[in-house]
Amino acid sequence: QPVVTQSSSASASLGSSVKLTCSLDSAFSSNVITWHQQQPGKAPRYLMKLEGSGTYNLGSGVPDRFSGSSSGADRYLTISNLHFEDEADYYCETWGSNTRVFGEGTKVTVL
Amino acid sequence: EVQVVESGGGLVQPGGSLRLSCAASGFTFSYYWMHWVRQAPGKGLVWVAVINPDGSSRFYGESVKGRFTVSRDNDKDTLYLQLNSLRAEDTAVYYCMRYYDYWGQGVQVTVSS
Repeated sequence: QPVVTQSSSASASLGSSVKLTCSLDSAFSSNVITWHQQQPGKAPRYLMKLEGSGTYNLGSGVPDRFSGSSSGADRYLTISNLHFEDEADYYCETWGSNTRVFGEGTKVTVL
Repeated sequence: EVQVVESGGGLVQPGGSLRLSCAASGFTFSYYWMHWVRQAPGKGLVWVAVINPDGSSRFYGESVKGRFTVSRDNDKDTLYLQLNSLRAEDTAVYYCMRYYDYWGQGVQVTVSS
C-alpha cells in the first residue's frame, strides 16, 4: 500500500502564501491524490484532486486561492493570500490496491 | 445539494456492537463508491472501509478487518457500518464519505466501560 508523507506543520503571515508538500513513495509516484482541509472542530472538507501531471480540479465552492502542482513523486498544495480561516489541518490522500491512505496531516498556522 | 449525514453513534462497552448509518441525498447514491473514515481524538484521518456501487465489493483497513462490516441499501440511499467486538482504540469520530469528494459531519463512537 502507498506510503504518504507530510510535514507536521507550516506557518505563514496573513496575506502571504504557503506551500504544503505530500510525498508519495516511488512505487506510487504517478498516483492521483486529493487534498482535504479540516478546520478546528469541524469535519474535513474536500479541496481538490491533483494528478501527477500537475492538473488539478477544485472542489465545489473552493476559492481559487488554493492551487495544486506536482513534481515527480511530490504533490503540492499552495494557499495564496492567506486568510485567518485557512488555519487548519491539511491532509493528502491517495489510493492503492483496494485501500486508501491518508498522510498524517500538516497543521497550518496563520501568523 | 449533495449531503451525507451519519447517525447511530454512542457509548458502548468493550466487546460490544454498534451500527452506524449514513443517509445520502442530492446525488444518485447507487452510482458511487462510498467510504468510512475515522479520526481518534487528537489524531489524523484513517481510512476504514469502502463499498462499490452495487455492494458486491467491500474492502477494509487492517485494524478493522474481521470486526467491521460495510453495507448499503441503494433503495434507501443509505450506507451502513456494523461495528463488532469493539475496543477502546476504536473510539473515534466516524465519517461517511462519497467517493473522494463529500464528507459527512461525523458521528462519535466511544468505547469504554
